[in-house]
Amino acid sequence: AQSVSQHNHHVILSEAASLELGCNYSYGGTVNLFWYVQYPGQHLQLLLKYFSGDPLVKGIKGFEAEFIKSKFSFNLRKPSVQWSDTAEYFCAVRSRDNYGQNFVFGPGTRLSVLP
Amino acid sequence: KAGVTQTPRYLIKTRGQQVTLSCSPISGHRSVSWYQQTPGQGLQFLFEYFSETQRNKGNFPGRFSGRQFSNSRSEMNVSTLELGDSALYLCASSLGGRTSSGANVLTFGAGSRLTVL
Repeated sequence: AQSVSQHNHHVILSEAASLELGCNYSYGGTVNLFWYVQYPGQHLQLLLKYFSGDPLVKGIKGFEAEFIKSKFSFNLRKPSVQWSDTAEYFCAVRSRDNYGQNFVFGPGTRLSVLP
Repeated sequence: KAGVTQTPRYLIKTRGQQVTLSCSPISGHRSVSWYQQTPGQGLQFLFEYFSETQRNKGNFPGRFSGRQFSNSRSEMNVSTLELGDSALYLCASSLGGRTSSGANVLTFGAGSRLTVL
């Protein structure tokens, strides 16, 4: 079965600091990868996705993620965080070999950005 | 176009009661998935429906059930509620077909927050 792990449960940064949130998945086949964000009081929304091609994908609000197939990783990065990035971030994976399989989410990483 | 709509947004029940939650997907989306979100547990997959058929099921007891109607709207039901069922129940829709299209991603609703007393 697929599983997703996220390296940090809670990350605290000051504004302008750089961010990297780790995500690893366990699945031997071809996958689609996602990062979702949940701002306080808001619903989950898609931050970025990787389906194929360039392993460095760019999303909304200056976020990017790099797919490293050999490491089964899909880490999220942002060079300079803002207070408004305070949110919970979820990594997710879905098999491309079998679209009958569901999405699997990681446990989430809570990011707190101090002004 | 309208997003994923979940009703009710908030509800309070007592142990032993049952509850039905509703989800209207984005127009044209044929897949509806349900997740339970609790602090510390993240998003736990409940089940997915595609074209009125349950396609996948998570590791939840039989008290949790769902269905999908011909218009793709979905309902989930929890019977004999327990305190531990208190959670945010999220519905997400997607195209659901066998495609690698970038459009085939989950779009979430705002959730139904259930409190069991």
